[in-house]
Amino acid sequence: DTAVSQTPKYLVTQMGNDKSIKCEQNLGHDTMYWYKQDSKKFLKIMFSYNNKELIINETVPNRFSPKSPDKAHLNLHINSLELGDSAVYFCASSQLADTQYFGPGTRLTVL
Amino acid sequence: KNEVEQSPQNLTAQEGEFITINCSYSVGISALHWLQQHPGGGIVSLFMLSSGKKKHGRLIATINIQEKHSSLHITASHPRDSAVYICAVPPDRGSRLTFGEGTQLTVNP
Repeated sequence: DTAVSQTPKYLVTQMGNDKSIKCEQNLGHDTMYWYKQDSKKFLKIMFSYNNKELIINETVPNRFSPKSPDKAHLNLHINSLELGDSAVYFCASSQLADTQYFGPGTRLTVL
Repeated sequence: KNEVEQSPQNLTAQEGEFITINCSYSVGISALHWLQQHPGGGIVSLFMLSSGKKKHGRLIATINIQEKHSSLHITASHPRDSAVYICAVPPDRGSRLTFGEGTQLTVNP
């Protein structure tokens, strides 16, 4: 069974569109994260969500909005996509500050 | 300046060599993470440590909290160890991570 899953694995879309990436974890963890990996392979935190508390990285544009329907899911919705949003997005989960388990990543390409 | 600095950025070794990757950080932390990113892109957590040393197979991680420094060692390196190794720390009392830029390791047969 996959511990942290993301869909889709690849997403190609036009500038200006709205898209969502879904993340699910079956580990029973309380905390989930979204990270962005840019073209230089540098990973950066976007959001963390712990028991209904959302912690936002202030450098993330408000076009990005995380949505958590329940503890096992943290989806990422992106409005008005821009070329600079092209990256690989990783979801992860952990039990509080313990080891983090990463999803396989979603490669987003904005044309 | 990044809160987490890794060296070297790139490392090429011959199979069997002993590998050391270094990580220095500038913030007070509760624990430090070492991650491995495979050539296919997947990320795996190797270690989380807050003091001393941890060992898993041919991998050894050490940390010196006073000096704010950690090292990842690979003994008897193998081509399958080729990957990007990333050091990460929680910059505040929360659990979200700040990452180093990664070390690209290539082990040649």
